[in-house]
Amino acid sequence: NAGVMQNPRHLVRRRGQEARLRCSPMKGHSHVYWYRQLPEEGLKFMVYLQKENIIDESGMPKERFSAEFPKEGPSILRIQQVVRGDSAAYFCASSPPDSPINEQFFGPGTRLTVL
Amino acid sequence: QKEVEQNSGPLSVPEGAIASLNCTYSDRGSQSFFWYRQYSGKSPELIMSIYSNGDKEDGRFTAQLNKASQYVSLLIRDSQPSDSATYLCAVTVSGTALIFGKGTTLSVSS
Repeated sequence: NAGVMQNPRHLVRRRGQEARLRCSPMKGHSHVYWYRQLPEEGLKFMVYLQKENIIDESGMPKERFSAEFPKEGPSILRIQQVVRGDSAAYFCASSPPDSPINEQFFGPGTRLTVL
Repeated sequence: QKEVEQNSGPLSVPEGAIASLNCTYSDRGSQSFFWYRQYSGKSPELIMSIYSNGDKEDGRFTAQLNKASQYVSLLIRDSQPSDSATYLCAVTVSGTALIFGKGTTLSVSS
């Protein structure tokens, strides 16, 4: 049973470029969460999605960041016009539907470096 | 503001000892509580979840929850050098987003 998959594992972008991070949840999981971990900082929630719906985006920066989870294909976190402060590890997690405890399982992460 | 507090450590214990990791949270509405282990450069790995007051044991790990004191802890028995990692405490309030502490670094010496 494959775990949460993320790609790319490492991404280098120059300031002003766009970054696209992809996440495929575990088999049977329909809930996807994105978190960001800045150097020397804790993990911070960004957005929670179900298929074709954004459920909670309270942790998303208001500008340049967007997320989607289409009916077919992986969830995508998109960062437009990246700046150096966007350099971080971005983790995706998934959980099964109707889980009363909401255990979330993390993917390997995408390490974004902005030059 | 919902907060989760952990002592950053490092917590150093000798091999075979019990490691005790602690966490407090600010929101009394918190529903579920989790411990994740994160090795340097890797992703968080779920090792324990608990949602009722009391103890929950799984192998060498025991999670303890006290909702009245807003306190959750993780005990690791017979600590091994391979347990050396950062341990993240996380809680959910509405059952969706996880709120993480900054983690406690554990070092187990052989």
